[in-house]
Amino acid sequence: GENVEQHPSTLSVQEGDSAVIKCTYSDSASNYFPWYKQELGKGPQLIIDIRSNVGEKKDQRIAVTLNKTAKHFSLHITETQPEDSAVYFCAENTGGGNKLTFGTGTQLKVEL
Amino acid sequence: DAGITQSPRHKVTETGTPVTLRCHQTENHRYMYWYRQDPGHGLRLIHYSYGVKDTDKGEVSDGYSVSRSKTEDFLLTLESATSSQTSVYFCAISETGGGADQETQYFGPGTRLLVL
Repeated sequence: GENVEQHPSTLSVQEGDSAVIKCTYSDSASNYFPWYKQELGKGPQLIIDIRSNVGEKKDQRIAVTLNKTAKHFSLHITETQPEDSAVYFCAENTGGGNKLTFGTGTQLKVEL
Repeated sequence: DAGITQSPRHKVTETGTPVTLRCHQTENHRYMYWYRQDPGHGLRLIHYSYGVKDTDKGEVSDGYSVSRSKTEDFLLTLESATSSQTSVYFCAISETGGGADQETQYFGPGTRLLVL
């Protein structure tokens, strides 16, 4: 069945440093990989996504890379700021139905 | 939260009582979803709808039912609440359902449910 492993579960970085969160999936038919940011007491919000026909996508300080052969994808945040502190979730979706399977989340803390 | 409201936002109930959570959207999106969020499990899909009166089960559907009589409303019902259903429930919507053009799922603010 569908399964997404996400690491690390917690990540602490100094302001200005980079943060990397990795997810591994098992279904080779997966073709859509979004990343969500969840702040305390709020619903998840999409920050970036990637489809299986590309290997990398960037949006300002955020980037996502996809390795279909190894079945893993990663979120990269550069020049981290205190407002980046939140829980980040990866997800994946096999073709059709739009049912997302989520990773277990990474608590990112950006320290001053 | 992309024109999505959930009600109530917080609820405390007793074991064995029925509970209905409501999700309302103003985006006229076709697809609606109910997830639950628990520590260590991320978000897990309970049920989803791909149109009025069209619904299907997700990963953790036991003990839950849903109904969608209008495009804008998706109801989640716990027929007889149990303590294991204490969780935070999120509604999500998306414009289309899959294939080569996956669409983003937008999430509501959540409902915190405590079953005593």
